[in-house]
Amino acid sequence: AQKITQTQPGMFVQEKEAVTLDCTYDTSDPSYGLFWYKQPSSGEMIFLIYQGSYDQQNATEGRYSLNFQKARKSANLVISASQLGDSAMYFCAMRDMDSNYQLIWGAGTKLIIKP
Amino acid sequence: SQTIHQWPATLVQPVGSPLSLECTVEGTSNPNLYWYRQAAGRGLQLLFYSVGIGQISSEVPQNLSASRPQDRQFILSSKKLLLSDSGFYLCAWSVGAGVAQDTQYFGPGTRLTVL
Repeated sequence: AQKITQTQPGMFVQEKEAVTLDCTYDTSDPSYGLFWYKQPSSGEMIFLIYQGSYDQQNATEGRYSLNFQKARKSANLVISASQLGDSAMYFCAMRDMDSNYQLIWGAGTKLIIKP
Repeated sequence: SQTIHQWPATLVQPVGSPLSLECTVEGTSNPNLYWYRQAAGRGLQLLFYSVGIGQISSEVPQNLSASRPQDRQFILSSKKLLLSDSGFYLCAWSVGAGVAQDTQYFGPGTRLTVL
């Protein structure tokens, strides 16, 4: 069965430091996609970054990068030079053929950036 | 560019009353559409998804229903609300390519409180 695990319910990080949010997944499908979303207190779910299982390089989008370790089935989100506005819930999600291409969601990590 | 709208933003309803939440997408044709519910402090639960007009798939049994009367309109309804229907309702759309990389983009959400 597909599964996404985010082991950090909450994190406190000092402003301007880098932060790594953990995500591990489980699938038997060789073709899958991994997504990270940010949910600020306003509630809107904001797409951050995508990594495909066949991508040779780690995905990057501005200050966001994805540390993709396929053998370990982990897809950690790295935020460089954190800002106060990065305080939010962060969700990891996965889609594969077994899930009929529906997103399987992790429980989320609450990130708080301290000034 | 594509935009997704949801209304109302906030709703307080008594138990047993009907519900109608609306979601519309602009700037794209024949999108996949999704309704999610998020309980306080929890992850997302997929309620319904639609790949075309009149085509609705339900993911969980409940007293909610969904309809897609137009290509870019998705409606979530209930005839009689329960206390357990309280939560944050998010609508999302995707291109619907049927592949691993089919990013879902979310609306601002509706916060529903059933009293």
